[in-house]
Amino acid sequence: SQQGEEDPQALSIQEGENATMNCSYKTSINNLQWYRQNSGRGLVHLILIRSNEREKHSGRLRVTLDTSKKSSSLLITASRAADTASYFCAISGNTPLVFGKGTRLSVIA
Amino acid sequence: DTAVSQTPKYLVTQMGNDKSIKCEQNLGHDTMYWYKQDSKKFLKIMFSYNNKELIINETVPNRFSPKSPDKAHLNLHINSLELGDSAVYFCASSQDQANTGELFFGEGSRLTVL
Repeated sequence: SQQGEEDPQALSIQEGENATMNCSYKTSINNLQWYRQNSGRGLVHLILIRSNEREKHSGRLRVTLDTSKKSSSLLITASRAADTASYFCAISGNTPLVFGKGTRLSVIA
Repeated sequence: DTAVSQTPKYLVTQMGNDKSIKCEQNLGHDTMYWYKQDSKKFLKIMFSYNNKELIINETVPNRFSPKSPDKAHLNLHINSLELGDSAVYFCASSQDQANTGELFFGEGSRLTVL
């Protein structure tokens, strides 16, 4: 299946710490995207990394992609309480984006 | 201005009823989608439309019928609602029809079937 799988399912950290979430997949990809979902809201696109890229930054976000291991990681540095949300990886291949089940991040002030 | 808007945000109804959810996007995108998110937060594609034409129809019961009157609108009609239809339904759009671009999501429509 093309679905990505995030790990861990849930993560709880203190404000100021870094949060790392991982995504593994099984098929070849065009790109991999990360989305954020606040409770009761829609998903918001965070960052897209193409299959020929290895690392990408956007503000406090850092995404890596290892196509040989079929895995990606999302690092949020210096986390804030407002970062509390669910984070999803989405695989772009031959079909519309396929989402994983997400990592629930709780940042405690 | 809301980019992708869905109505209603909440819908509570009895089993067997028929209901519709409307979606509109003002981004000028050609491709629109319906996703279903279950209680475990799993997000699954249901339909994909490109310029009013059905592109993807995943294994969704034929009680679900999408309708796209124009490329800015994609409505979802559900007949004979069942308990298992309870979920949050998300509309989304993208500029890219090649399944590579970023998706813009609506805020979701939470359907509860009693």
